[in-house]
Amino acid sequence: QSVLTQPPSASGTPGQRVIISCSGSSSNIESNTVNWYQQLPGTAPKLLIYSDDQRPSGVPDRFSGSKSGTSASLAISGLQSEDEADYYCATWDDSLNGVVFGGGTKVTVL
Amino acid sequence: QVQLVESGGGLVKPGGSLRLSCAASGFTFSDYYMNWIRQAPGEGLEWVSYISSSGSTIYYADSVKGRFTISRDNAKSSLFLQMNSLRAEDTAVYYCARYPFTGAFDYWGQGTLVTVSS
Repeated sequence: QSVLTQPPSASGTPGQRVIISCSGSSSNIESNTVNWYQQLPGTAPKLLIYSDDQRPSGVPDRFSGSKSGTSASLAISGLQSEDEADYYCATWDDSLNGVVFGGGTKVTVL
Repeated sequence: QVQLVESGGGLVKPGGSLRLSCAASGFTFSDYYMNWIRQAPGEGLEWVSYISSSGSTIYYADSVKGRFTISRDNAKSSLFLQMNSLRAEDTAVYYCARYPFTGAFDYWGQGTLVTVSS
């Protein structure tokens, strides 16, 4: 079982908005910044959002992150077929002294 | 450009050992913390280990503590993972990843597959 909880799947039609949740606790999400990674099939993960809501250079502004208390969210606006991928949240856990990941959410574009 | 290239994966019997390497280029390796992260077939991501820029601070996931050892050679811009007493559940693709002050893994290697099987 992952320390951070994500829904296993999410879906939407092209152009729709999809939101992925990530639930944690006071020792991880509430105390540290959250990062999101996108993993396209057969490839290494790629950083999508860092420090809760910052986009690295080159990441489309369709992707946005937010955090409140012990939960974080990733929103994908204007869903596109190339957004079909697995998405993972991650953060540092002060109790475990290590990085913890969510179990991942598979996004399907219908 | 930043590049991370892992090597050293392969097939090993339970109880055996393997040493993974990660060759870094395109940035000042000695300025960055580094990590190993793994992904079992069809599964999610699991953080394995972290090493500070100087090598003075190291953390491990409980699942590998006492069996795996992370190290680095800043002169050769290389990161290592010595894996001993390997188990079937250690079978995974192992990625090295750069870890800047933001606390996010901003660059990943392509991964190297470790298979533990008799």
